[in-house]
Amino acid sequence: GAVVSQHPSWVICKSGTSVKIECRSLDFQATTMFWYRQFPKQSLMLMATSNEGSKATYEQGVEKDKFLINHASLTLSTLTVTSAHPEDSSFYICSAALFGADYNEQFFGPGTRLTVL
Amino acid sequence: GQNIDQPTEMTATEGAIVQINCTYQTSGFNGLFWYQQHAGEAPTFLSYNVLDGLEEKGRFSSFLSRSKGYSYLLLKELQMKDSASYLCAVNNGNYQLIWGAGTKLIIKP
Repeated sequence: GAVVSQHPSWVICKSGTSVKIECRSLDFQATTMFWYRQFPKQSLMLMATSNEGSKATYEQGVEKDKFLINHASLTLSTLTVTSAHPEDSSFYICSAALFGADYNEQFFGPGTRLTVL
Repeated sequence: GQNIDQPTEMTATEGAIVQINCTYQTSGFNGLFWYQQHAGEAPTFLSYNVLDGLEEKGRFSSFLSRSKGYSYLLLKELQMKDSASYLCAVNNGNYQLIWGAGTKLIIKP
């Protein structure tokens, strides 16, 4: 159980275009989803926390107008990279949180590799 | 500030035992996670500690000392497939994970 999918798994786009990445929790409802970015040989960097039905909370230094997050349902969050540039090329990973009274865990999607030409 | 420290890289021999340390300083604490990440893939969950002590799960064990802000991941009977990065992450009580930079483990035959 607790499977998270991401689509697409990889995408190549031209500079200036927008790219949408979907993150779905397949067998559980996730009130909170997280979006991370990872550059080569670096650790995960949290971009934003997304709660269903409310605006995402962005980490310092992450442009909310460039990285649009929509969490319309308990099983789907989307990240749109607007007007992508080569420096946006990275590995984008989402996670969906399953919280309990004494346990909490994030389940990760397989990631989306974005290459901007 | 909040930070998590772990060694950048470690090398071990197939069949041996290796211990990866993690020290943390966070604003709050609601559990420590270890994840394994192979190159080009998303992290996969290995272990979760919220109370002091050792949690054993097959070839992998994880230890936590909250008073010392310290954890380690112990890998036994190393296999070549264990070559990966190992990420230490702390839940700071606000449902966010604070991530270490990861330890790249290289297994040699």
